Parts: sequence; C-alpha cells; structure tokens
Amino acid sequence: QQQVKQSPQSLIVQKGGISIINCAYENTAFDYFPWYQQFPGKGPALLIAIRPDVSEKKEGRFTISFNKSAKQFSLHIMDSQPGDSATYFCAPGGEDKIIFGKGTRLHILP
Amino acid sequence: ETGVTQTPRHLVMGMTNKKSLKCEQHLGHNAMYWYKQSAKKPLELMFVYNFKEQTENNSVPSRFSPECPNSSHLFLHLHTLQPEDSALYLCASSRNLAGVTGELFFGEGSRLTVL
Repeated sequence: QQQVKQSPQSLIVQKGGISIINCAYENTAFDYFPWYQQFPGKGPALLIAIRPDVSEKKEGRFTISFNKSAKQFSLHIMDSQPGDSATYFCAPGGEDKIIFGKGTRLHILP
Repeated sequence: ETGVTQTPRHLVMGMTNKKSLKCEQHLGHNAMYWYKQSAKKPLELMFVYNFKEQTENNSVPSRFSPECPNSSHLFLHLHTLQPEDSALYLCASSRNLAGVTGELFFGEGSRLTVL
C-alpha cells in the first residue's frame, strides 16, 4: 500500500513568518511532487510542483525543497500572509497514480 | 470561470432518493476523476476515467454509480445512500492520467447531505 505522510496536521503562523509543511512518501517510482492549496468552499488547486531532477524550486514566496534520498519534500511559505490561510495537500505521483496526503490546515494570524 | 464545472453545488437527499451529480470540463482533457472529501478522510479517490473508459474503481460501494458519456462529461448517480456518505464530492480532470502529467484540475465540488 502506497503511503504518504504529511505533517503537521495544523499550523498557526504569525503574519510575516515562515510556514513549513512536510511530506514523506514511500514509492520510489514517484516522479512528480506537487502541493495543492484549497480554500473553504473551493476545490484544491495546484500551487507549485517539482520534478526529481532538481532539489529546489521557488515561485514567488513559495518554495519546494526536495530530498530524494530521504523520500521527502516540503513546502516553505515565506512572509506568510493572512490570504495564505488554507488547507495544503501534498500529492506525489507517478505510474498514472497520485496519492494525496491528509492535508495541513494553515492559519496565518494577522 | 473555472475549467471544471460541477452541479449542483449543494444537495440534500433522503436515504431512499435517487439523485445525480454532474461534472463538465472545458479543458480538452482526456481523464476525469471523482474524489470524496470528508473530515475523516480528506481526499479519497473513487473513480477514474480515461478516454471515457473506467480505469479505476477504488472499492466504492455500488450505491455510487459513475457514468462518462464522453471525455467532457462525468456523472455520479446516487441511490439508497447512507448518512456517512455525506461529504464534498469533487470532480477533477487532467490532460492524461494524472500520474504521468501531474496536474489535476478540480471543480468546486458538490456538497452532499444525506438525511
């Protein structure tokens, strides 16, 4: 059974701080490592993703760090803003499957 | 306007009712999915269709019946549901099967309440 473990389950960060969410996976065949963002009343939407040939990808305030040997990747949100308050899912995929983590509820204090 | 449209957005039904959820994607994608999202199990894959053919049924009870008449439309027919089936049902699409290309495009979901 393919397992994906996401942590923490919930996170509270002060405005301007750094939010860090982690994802660990087991399947070494995965070759796509995305993070999805979901606001209340909306479906998840792709936020940022990385392929295993690079160790880090940055898009604005959002950065993915990827550690292939540890089978882990993380999402860093720099200068966190109240508008970043949402649920975040990692969803590693490969071999025509995507496995979603259980989600992290992020709350940014104003 | 979202590329994946789901109707209805909210549905309340009794355990003996028959209803259907509809999903339409305007993205020219070949694969479509039904996910169930509840507080206990955040995102559960239910069904996968690729080029109108069902490729995955994730041990879903037969009271849920999917239908995919073409690559743009996906239905979920509901009958004799249980209260524990109350959840947000999300439709998604992808250019090809998601594990290959990665990105899923989700609709806003249909919030189902079973009384």
